[in-house]
Amino acid sequence: ETGVTQSPTHLIKTRGQQVTLRCSSQSGHNTVSWYQQALGQGPQFIFQYYREEENGRGNFPPRFSGLQFPNYSSELNVNALELDDSALYLCASSLAVATNTGELFFGEGSRLTVL
Amino acid sequence: GNSVTQMEGPVTLSEEAFLTINCTYTATGYPSLFWYVQYPGEGLQLLLKATKADDKGSNKGFEATYRKETTSFHLEKGSVQVSDSAVYFCAPRSRAAGNKLTFGGGTRVLVKP
Repeated sequence: ETGVTQSPTHLIKTRGQQVTLRCSSQSGHNTVSWYQQALGQGPQFIFQYYREEENGRGNFPPRFSGLQFPNYSSELNVNALELDDSALYLCASSLAVATNTGELFFGEGSRLTVL
Repeated sequence: GNSVTQMEGPVTLSEEAFLTINCTYTATGYPSLFWYVQYPGEGLQLLLKATKADDKGSNKGFEATYRKETTSFHLEKGSVQVSDSAVYFCAPRSRAAGNKLTFGGGTRVLVKP
């Protein structure tokens, strides 16, 4: 059983550029969520995808968007990058969206630096 | 929505000392409660969880009890090791709040030999 994998692990962009981060969910998991973790802070929920549809969104602007594919992998896209977007982006997968008791399995994250 | 208040770190301890990290929460609906740990340079790992009042979650010598009356889920370990040095996050999760994890700011723990 493979875990959650994210790519790239590190990347540097300049202000105004666009970035795509990728996540492969754990085998059998149909729900993927994305979190932003600024340095020294706790992760903040961006959005969640269940069966290819957005199923909940946190307080992030529309320039943060995502996709989930039929194999349940996912992408996070951020347009018009700002300096404050510099953070560790964490992807988490889980088995079902309807329950609040299950574990979310996290990848090691993609560290984005915006210059 | 849900929110979490965790004690601020860093918490610095000697090996074999007793560790307590306080966590209180507010939640919409009936939450499950989680402690996640983040070791240096790594992602988050589930440490333990409790899904209903008075449940005790335990793992790797850590324990936390779901206290509904005080809305708390304090983490404890009787004898810490250097390898326990990490950042610890408390997080409620409720269906009424969209089933997302809501993290506190984290508590950094440093255990010295």
